Amino acid sequence: EPEVTQTPSHQVTQMGQEVILRCVPISNHLYFYWYRQILGQKVEFLVSFYNNEISEKSEIFDDQFSVERPDGSNFTLKIRSTKLEDSAMYFCASSVGGLREGRNQPQHFGDGTRLSIL
Amino acid sequence: AQTVTQSQPEMSVQEAETVTLSCTYDTSESDYYLFWYKQPPSRQMILVIRQEAYKQQNATENRFSVNFQKAAKSFSLKISDSQLGDAAMYFCAYRSSLSNAGGTSYGKLTFGQGTILTVHP
Repeated sequence: EPEVTQTPSHQVTQMGQEVILRCVPISNHLYFYWYRQILGQKVEFLVSFYNNEISEKSEIFDDQFSVERPDGSNFTLKIRSTKLEDSAMYFCASSVGGLREGRNQPQHFGDGTRLSIL
Repeated sequence: AQTVTQSQPEMSVQEAETVTLSCTYDTSESDYYLFWYKQPPSRQMILVIRQEAYKQQNATENRFSVNFQKAAKSFSLKISDSQLGDAAMYFCAYRSSLSNAGGTSYGKLTFGQGTILTVHP
């Protein structure tokens, strides 16, 4: 069964540095998402992406964050200047379609990238 | 804004027994979708079961079933004949049926805090 893959599984970086988290969504999926989970807390929505643009973002997704689909397969989350509070597990998800393509298309999640800011 | 609440931080069950995980949500919408996701120690979030709010019939997937009470805004997950492999964190999630003006789905999931399920042999 096709899977969403994320790399790296664990990223350690110094505060203030830029970090790029990578995701390869399932190949026929059209909608892409990033979520984060701070240790011991709930999973929180960051951003959704469709047709090469952001369709929705949360208040967490400020100017330090950006997303990109640089080619036909990768979907990246960039944090420009990392802060200690960015330490979390980051999950990428994709779905085959939204409401226009069909109701209730489930999101498939990757294994996550654990980001540790020192 | 929608909120999802899982009031049980931890639950435990004996192997082969039945356990019910609770979830309540708050919304002003009449049409929406509800999901249960499982997150084992391997970390990947796996879809367990889903329910459309417009359907009165409770969803079932093998040993997993839900008790969807729309008026009470309750969406509990029942796991029958529990197995050791069911041990995981379980998240309840809500998704709006609304879309933006462009017709693309908002699509975002709003999660509860999670319930850690332990299965004892």
